Amino acid sequence: GENVEQHPSTLSVQEGDSAVIKCTYSDSASNYFPWYKQELGKRPQLIIDIRSNVGEKKDQRIAVTLNKTAKHFSLHITETQPEDSAVYFCAASGYGQNFVFGPGTRLSVLP
Amino acid sequence: GAGVSQSPRYKVAKRGQDVALRCDPISGHVSLFWYQQALGQGPEFLTYFQNEAQLDKSGLPSDRFFAERPEGSVSTLKIQRTQQEDSAVYLCASSVRDRKPAFGSGTRLTVV
Repeated sequence: GENVEQHPSTLSVQEGDSAVIKCTYSDSASNYFPWYKQELGKRPQLIIDIRSNVGEKKDQRIAVTLNKTAKHFSLHITETQPEDSAVYFCAASGYGQNFVFGPGTRLSVLP
Repeated sequence: GAGVSQSPRYKVAKRGQDVALRCDPISGHVSLFWYQQALGQGPEFLTYFQNEAQLDKSGLPSDRFFAERPEGSVSTLKIQRTQQEDSAVYLCASSVRDRKPAFGSGTRLTVV
């Protein structure tokens, strides 16, 4: 089955700097990759997603890149703000299959 | 409703007690997923429905766990004879067709 790894497990950046979180997956049949942000005690919230037929997608300060050959995808947050502090999860899924999540990255944006 | 609704929000069960957790998905969402999230970890897959059909239950940790979605809408996750290792947040998510799943707030289960 699918296995998703995520690095780093914790990340601290200064406000205004960029943050990058990387994930790898094992199943070449996976074709959809969402990213979730989870604040303490709250539900995971979808922040951006990418399909396998696209190499990059941007939404304001957030971007995701996908390398299907290498089976890895990354989340990029630019101009980080204190409210970006949270745990971020990547996930991978194939058509008609469940979503497999990475173990999460705790991002701290220091003022 | 506006989003995925789960109840109860918190549940304390004595070891050996049976519990039932409810999920009301977003209206019209075909796919429904149950996940278990331990403290400080990512969501772990339990089971997946498409309408009323349970397509994948490979993540259910034991035969004490059972899920149903009889009419293709509301789903119930039942845990029989709860044990301490069952303590976790149980998350439900729904989506139109396997894309952009939206999560509920979860049920925090504590087994004492």
